[in-house]
Amino acid sequence: AQSVTQLDSQVPVFEEAPVELRCNYSSSVSVYLFWYVQYPNQGLQLLLKYLSGSTLVESINGFEAEFNKSQTSFHLRKPSVHISDTAEYFCAVSVAIAGGTSYGKLTFGQGTILTVHP
Amino acid sequence: EAGVAQSPRYKIIEKRQSVAFWCNPISGHATLYWYQQILGQGPKLLIQFQNNGVVDDSQLPKDRFSAERLKGVDSTLKIQPAKLEDSAVYLCASSLDPGSNSPLHFGNGTRLTVT
Repeated sequence: AQSVTQLDSQVPVFEEAPVELRCNYSSSVSVYLFWYVQYPNQGLQLLLKYLSGSTLVESINGFEAEFNKSQTSFHLRKPSVHISDTAEYFCAVSVAIAGGTSYGKLTFGQGTILTVHP
Repeated sequence: EAGVAQSPRYKIIEKRQSVAFWCNPISGHATLYWYQQILGQGPKLLIQFQNNGVVDDSQLPKDRFSAERLKGVDSTLKIQPAKLEDSAVYLCASSLDPGSNSPLHFGNGTRLTVT
């Protein structure tokens, strides 16, 4: 079975400050890794994903995450946050199977609420 | 493209009553998921469909929860009878095919309050 631990339930930061949201996972098999964002009263939206290749992945709105296999981590970072980044962020994994595919279903962490203050 | 549609957005019922949620996935998406998100926790998979067949329902409390996707498109999730601990947001998601690494697209969810 897979499990995901997000080490911080809440992260308050000031606007334009850097931020790191931590995620560690446990799995006996290879996994794919994801970050989802959930704005108030909305569904989850995919922020970025790691399937293979470069261990550093980036989103279109300035977030990046680095897959570290030895530390089983996939921390999310942004060098300068905006008020609009205030949301809840979820780290998730899915089992990787042969041929670069997966079973599809995701196992989520418990979420980190990022609050950006002016 | 239209997103995943869910209804109702909110539902308040008393314990021991029954309730049903509806989901319409993105057109052409063969795989459909129902997740339960309890306040303060991450979403937990309840059931996964591939077309109209069940792929995984290992975490569905089958004594009170049921789900169907009769024509391989829309899906309904039912709880009968509801308990206080069923209070949560129920999220529906869909993807093209689990084998293609296509991302999951989530609906806005149905917030259930059981009193």
